[in-house]
Amino acid sequence: GQNIDQPTEMTATEGAIVQINCTYQTSGFNGLFWYQQHAGEAPTFLSYNVLDGLEEKGRFSSFLSRSKGYSYLLLKELQMKDSASYLCAVREGQAGTALIFGKGTTLSVSS
Amino acid sequence: EAGVTQFPSHSVIEKGQTVTLRCDPISGHDNLYWYRRVMGKEIKFLLHFVKESKQDESGMPNNRFLAERTGGTYSTLKVQPAELEDSGVYFCASSRFVATNEKLFFGSGTQLSVL
Repeated sequence: GQNIDQPTEMTATEGAIVQINCTYQTSGFNGLFWYQQHAGEAPTFLSYNVLDGLEEKGRFSSFLSRSKGYSYLLLKELQMKDSASYLCAVREGQAGTALIFGKGTTLSVSS
Repeated sequence: EAGVTQFPSHSVIEKGQTVTLRCDPISGHDNLYWYRRVMGKEIKFLLHFVKESKQDESGMPNNRFLAERTGGTYSTLKVQPAELEDSGVYFCASSRFVATNEKLFFGSGTQLSVL
């Protein structure tokens, strides 16, 4: 079956670094996405990984290990505005097929 | 460029009533998706349009749900008759191209409450 696990909640302080983990068990794999969603707003795309390794984009980085079914999102130099839900999603099938989402991790950043 | 817009943002209806949700994708985006998040659960796929054609409707829960995209522009999702378990946030998303790294642009969702 399909299963994507993420921690439900995390807390951190401004300026710190936080790592949000995601493990997945899916029947196929054709890429892993991270989305950010502020309360009441639209989820917005953060990153995409399909090959093993680290993808860096400014303060945010995403890592993938396909053999371990594992990804993490790394947020550096945390800011208050980073308080949001972070959604891990996997595409099992070919392009255009459904994304399978985890329940999301709510990150609270305090001063 | 305007983003994906959804209307209404909130809807409260009674069990048995009908509700129609609307989604306007980003102009030029042929791909339109509907997803739903029931409280406490993950976001789940409902269906995928390519222009006006239903490419994949495997996620539609039952025949009380009807999605249309006449003319390949905006889409509607009708729930008739609504049941309590239909409550949740309905998201629409669009993309220009189908690709493995396809980035979906989501709307803010419609919060549906069935009482």
